[in-house]
Amino acid sequence: AQKVTQAQTEISVVEKEDVTLDCVYETRDTTYYLFWYKQPPSGELVFLIRRNSFDEQNEISGRYSWNFQKSTSSFNFTITASQVVDSAVYFCALSEQVGGYNKLIFGAGTRLAVHP
Amino acid sequence: DVKVTQSSRYLVKRTGEKVFLECVQDMDHENMFWYRQDPGLGLRLIYFSYDVKMKEKGDIPEGYSVSREKKERFSLILESASTNQTSMYLCASGREFGGNQPQHFGDGTRLSIL
Repeated sequence: AQKVTQAQTEISVVEKEDVTLDCVYETRDTTYYLFWYKQPPSGELVFLIRRNSFDEQNEISGRYSWNFQKSTSSFNFTITASQVVDSAVYFCALSEQVGGYNKLIFGAGTRLAVHP
Repeated sequence: DVKVTQSSRYLVKRTGEKVFLECVQDMDHENMFWYRQDPGLGLRLIYFSYDVKMKEKGDIPEGYSVSREKKERFSLILESASTNQTSMYLCASGREFGGNQPQHFGDGTRLSIL
């Protein structure tokens, strides 16, 4: 069965520290997509990145970077020089094809607290 | 920017009541979704719709139904609310399947069933 595991339930860091959020997935599909979403205290999930299974290049966007390793079925997310505004719950998700439709399987989420 | 609007941020209802949660999106997206979010479980898909009047069960449809009479509106219905349906409910919309376009979420409705 498709599955997404975010083993870290909560992480607490001090501002300016680097932090990595882990995501491990299981799938039988050869083509799939992985996503990261951020949920700040306001509640709305904000889309951060999508990666397809054929593109293993790492991606960097400002202080955010993502490391996709197909060999270990991992799609980890690193925040460099963390800031208080990064405090949120972060979800990793995997697309699953069911009967011609794609739906998302979410991990349980990692709550990140960045302290001043 | 895509805007997904959920009718209530907080809602308190009583056991046995019929509860309606409304969601509206303004980007003409074909697909709409209802999830519930519980601590330690992440988001779980209740129902989704890929077109007007069409619906598909997600992973946890029991106790829920949905309605999509217009493309922009997707309603979640708790036929007879129970305390185990106390949760955060999130609506999302997205473009057609196959492209794996990201889903866009509303702010959520925190529902308490007493």
